[in-house]
Amino acid sequence: KNQVEQSPQSLIILEGKNCTLQCNYTVSPFSNLRWYKQDTGRGPVSLTIMTFSENTKSNGRYTATLDADTKQSSLHITASQLSDSASYICVVSAYGTYKYIFGTGTRLKVLA
Amino acid sequence: NAGVTQTPKFRVLKTGQSMTLLCAQDMNHEYMYWYRQDPGMGLRLIHYSVGEGTTAKGEVPDGYNVSRLKKQNFLLGLESAAPSQTSVYFCASGLTGVNTEAFFGQGTRLTVV
Repeated sequence: KNQVEQSPQSLIILEGKNCTLQCNYTVSPFSNLRWYKQDTGRGPVSLTIMTFSENTKSNGRYTATLDADTKQSSLHITASQLSDSASYICVVSAYGTYKYIFGTGTRLKVLA
Repeated sequence: NAGVTQTPKFRVLKTGQSMTLLCAQDMNHEYMYWYRQDPGMGLRLIHYSVGEGTTAKGEVPDGYNVSRLKKQNFLLGLESAAPSQTSVYFCASGLTGVNTEAFFGQGTRLTVV
């Protein structure tokens, strides 16, 4: 069964600190992996997208990594800001389908 | 540049009532999707469309119907609302399939009492 699991479920950090969110997937055949940021009461917004051949992708202070062999991805946030408080969702697509498989997200709270 | 717009943003329905959620996109995207988001669960696909005049079932289609009469609009209908349909509904669109960017609307919070 195609699944995407994220950890931790929630995380609290102080402003200025770094953090890393994890995503494990069992989607096959793999097409691509995305990280989305979802602010409270809003729709998800794409941060990065990686295909099988890509190991890392950055978007400002956000850096995503992908290990296709172990089927793991991480999202690293550098020098966190209050505005980073949100849910971060890992989404994996299976090749040849029209569907995205969503993780349940990691809820991040950044404190001043 | 509006992107993906959902109407309404909030709605309260009584059990058995019907309603239609509207999704409009101005990016000329072929693919459109309806998802529901429930606490502790990832977004789940209700129905999707790969082009004007086409619709297909997702993983949780029961109790919902959809129509894509115009390329820019994707309508989600609830014929007889049930409390189990209380959720936040998101529409998304993409230029083609899963290899392209998916853009989401701001969501519709629906409560069925």
